[in-house]
Amino acid sequence: QVQLVQSGAEVKRPGASVTVSCKASGYTFNTYGIVWVRQAPGQGLEWMGWISGYDGNTYTAQKFQGRVTMTTDTSTSAAYMELRSLRSDDTAVYYCARDQRPYYFDTCGYYGYWGQGTLVTVSS
Amino acid sequence: QPVLTQPPSVSAAPGQKVTISCSGISSNIAANYVSWYQQLPGTAPRLLIYDNNRRPSGIPDRFSGSKSGTSATLGISGLQTGDEADYYCETWDTSLNDERVFGGGTKLTVL
Repeated sequence: QVQLVQSGAEVKRPGASVTVSCKASGYTFNTYGIVWVRQAPGQGLEWMGWISGYDGNTYTAQKFQGRVTMTTDTSTSAAYMELRSLRSDDTAVYYCARDQRPYYFDTCGYYGYWGQGTLVTVSS
Repeated sequence: QPVLTQPPSVSAAPGQKVTISCSGISSNIAANYVSWYQQLPGTAPRLLIYDNNRRPSGIPDRFSGSKSGTSATLGISGLQTGDEADYYCETWDTSLNDERVFGGGTKLTVL
């Protein structure tokens, strides 16, 4: 069965960086892309970006451009999301999810499998 | 302010049917497929509907999706207490930045 297992909770100071990992299993990793979605406490979902499991191409929401780096390691079937210059309003649960459209970025993507979420707390 | 507008809350009795609306504009809902997600308290979202009205395997047919013009609707029939959750619509948007956007979410209460 498809599973996405994320790394554990993090506490960071403002200005620091955080990297969240997402280890996939149960499918051929390089067939599908991974998206990152975050949810601030008590708030809705926010799409951050997409990375191809096939060739590492990325598509990043404009709000996060220059501050987010998404990468993959196909040898370990893992995806990573680094967020830099953290601010208090970056405090959120960060989710990875698998795009159900194969290979390439598709504006009609949808996300059938989700990680359990990683709480990132930014506090001085 | 979310690009897609959903009612903050809806409620209905067990066994009844409820609909949740998602309002957009020509550059998002009208031009692209809509997905719907259910988020039970303290858990990750779950895909309910994709491509406007298609259900993934394992999603009961009590859940349905439709789209007309700049609005999409999620229907849930035969309400159960286990359906109490937040529901989000999602689509592609080109009005400001080309990217995927979520609605603000709707809290469903089963009375």
